[in-house]
Amino acid sequence: DAGVIQSPRHEVTEMGQEVTLRCKPISGHNSLFWYRQTMMRGLELLIYFNNNVPIDDSGMPEDRFSAKMPNASFSTLKIQPSEPRDSAVYFCASSHGSLPPKLFFGSGTQLSVL
Amino acid sequence: EDKVVQSPLSLVVHEGDTVTLNCSYEVTNFRSLLWYKQEKKAPTFLFMLTSSGIEKKSGRLSSILDKKELFSILNITATQTGDSAIYLCAHSGGSNYKLTFGKGTLLTVNP
Repeated sequence: DAGVIQSPRHEVTEMGQEVTLRCKPISGHNSLFWYRQTMMRGLELLIYFNNNVPIDDSGMPEDRFSAKMPNASFSTLKIQPSEPRDSAVYFCASSHGSLPPKLFFGSGTQLSVL
Repeated sequence: EDKVVQSPLSLVVHEGDTVTLNCSYEVTNFRSLLWYKQEKKAPTFLFMLTSSGIEKKSGRLSSILDKKELFSILNITATQTGDSAIYLCAHSGGSNYKLTFGKGTLLTVNP
């Protein structure tokens, strides 16, 4: 299995631009999580999907952030408009549904907003 | 608010040393405590502990949980340079799907 696949690996953009991060979870996993990692705050859960349905988006910082999961094999996290304080590493993780989740993380997207 | 505090923040040792990493937590409804290793990028799962006093072991790594004192330790014996990484501790509480992570301990093992 290829594991969780994220793209792009690195994204450098200017303030105000739209950013879209992509994730392909492990086949057969029915739970998907988006996390953000910064030096100051560590790893924080942004949103959790179960069977493609958003269950908890309370960690999404504000309305500029949105996430979708149109099918079991694809999810996106969009930031519009982006701001410098959004600079972080964004991880997608999937699990097979057991609770608490045994997370399999992707390699992350390093986002820099100038 | 649920909290996880790890110590030390960073640690430098020589190959062959034994290290102990600490994780203390405050949570309203404890369910389990997990350890992850983060090398370069993606964290990878090490252990999950739910019961007090029962040691989980994998090779040179072991971990134990004390639910009364609200902490866990991760031990690494005979460290190798490949053990250099950030070690993350997380707990799941009331929302069993939500893991609250500590900021991690950066371990550097020098040859």
